[in-house]
Amino acid sequence: SAVISQKPSRDICQRGTSLTIQCQVDSQVTMMFWYRQQPGQSLTLIATANQGSEATYESGFVIDKFPISRPNLTFSTLTVSNMSPEDSSIYLCSAGAANTEAFFGQGTRLTVV
Amino acid sequence: GENVEQHPSTLSVQEGDSAVIKCTYSDSASNYFPWYKQELGKGPQLIIDIRSNVGEKKDQRIAVTLNKTAKHFSLHITETQPEDSAVYFCAASSFMDSSYKLIFGSGTRLLVRP
Repeated sequence: SAVISQKPSRDICQRGTSLTIQCQVDSQVTMMFWYRQQPGQSLTLIATANQGSEATYESGFVIDKFPISRPNLTFSTLTVSNMSPEDSSIYLCSAGAANTEAFFGQGTRLTVV
Repeated sequence: GENVEQHPSTLSVQEGDSAVIKCTYSDSASNYFPWYKQELGKGPQLIIDIRSNVGEKKDQRIAVTLNKTAKHFSLHITETQPEDSAVYFCAASSFMDSSYKLIFGSGTRLLVRP
């Protein structure tokens, strides 16, 4: 199974600022995914990040708000831009290769004040 | 698109009893159904999964069943222990586009009473 490390594990940010979350996988993976989990809720997919192409965003999520980078097969970043209190959530990255299970990082708990 | 419904939202059982969590999905193209356990402050951990060419899969105290016709799949935990207390999520995905775009159920908070 892949080991996924996320940084930071938590942060408290001022509204109007941006935070970049890093996701590092210990092996090369084809697909990486970013999810949002609001308090006490389920996981909602934000976007799919494949190496060498632009991220694909789900309905309700836009690149200007959540820019994503995927520079290689083991790393991705998600930026939460121009934050508001409504962006307070847990952000999770997930990774998997073709025909293997999807594994998750431990998440980044973001509080916007 | 896919929609996954999960029941119950909370489940309380006595230690040693069994627990069953049920999910239904809407997209007949879905062919991969994982279950995740999430403990407080941690990311989801894959505990078992099943693919559409299999009706049942078991791993020690945990089993998953799949009814493709009815679009139902269930998680069964036998001989529950206090450390099984967590939030459990089912998910559905299609491999047709070679991605793991998992659609999650709403989650079940399981409490195992000692």
